Amino acid sequence: GAGVSQSPRYKVTKRGQDVTLRCDPISSHATLYWYQQALGQGPEFLTYFNYEAQPDKSGLPSDRFSAERPEGSISTLTIQRTEQRDSAMYRCASSPGRLAAPWTDTQYFGPGTRLTVL
Amino acid sequence: AQSVTQLGSHVSVSEGALVLLRCNYSSSVPPYLFWYVQYPNQGLQLLLKYTSAATLVKGINGFEAEFKKSETSFHLTKPSAHMSDAAEYFCAVIRFDMDSSYKLIFGSGTRLLVRP
Repeated sequence: GAGVSQSPRYKVTKRGQDVTLRCDPISSHATLYWYQQALGQGPEFLTYFNYEAQPDKSGLPSDRFSAERPEGSISTLTIQRTEQRDSAMYRCASSPGRLAAPWTDTQYFGPGTRLTVL
Repeated sequence: AQSVTQLGSHVSVSEGALVLLRCNYSSSVPPYLFWYVQYPNQGLQLLLKYTSAATLVKGINGFEAEFKKSETSFHLTKPSAHMSDAAEYFCAVIRFDMDSSYKLIFGSGTRLLVRP
């Protein structure tokens, strides 16, 4: 697609429920990132994928958080047994993933999903 | 480990005035530095990045930033503010981990207000 899209844009859930957030990256991009952004803060890294591989999960706050990218394109972030502290904006980004120096790539961000846990 | 600090959570300037948003970094290796802008209800957009080439980096919308190793700074400037520049600005640095993985580490952001 033309840009990174995320759905839903807004999600309100009750504590204890599971939620799944979706990210549709730019179609040619190999690398996909997930971030959590609390109000008034910068985005914080959660995890990333190179195609379907997930080299780094170190930012996931607990084992209630998991992410998938089974076919190397669309990705989902699932939060099980949500807690109020999970309320935040969840942002997805994608980048071309050049082999030589992928950290120099521009990351293209989606509009985010605002999650509210009541 | 690499990190960035943004000084000032809010900066207010008059339209036409100089914009200066401050970012200092901490890194024991040559850093890779970025400035992103976030408009309301939109995703973050890259303004410019420093990847160890020229120390003065020009970006979109008339913004530029200068990498100063002696001051460990990467401040963002624009000679003349427009009303459309009102947004939140994030400085970021690449952090490399022991297992050769990397991640983008953001500062806490500076909200720019432009007064007519």
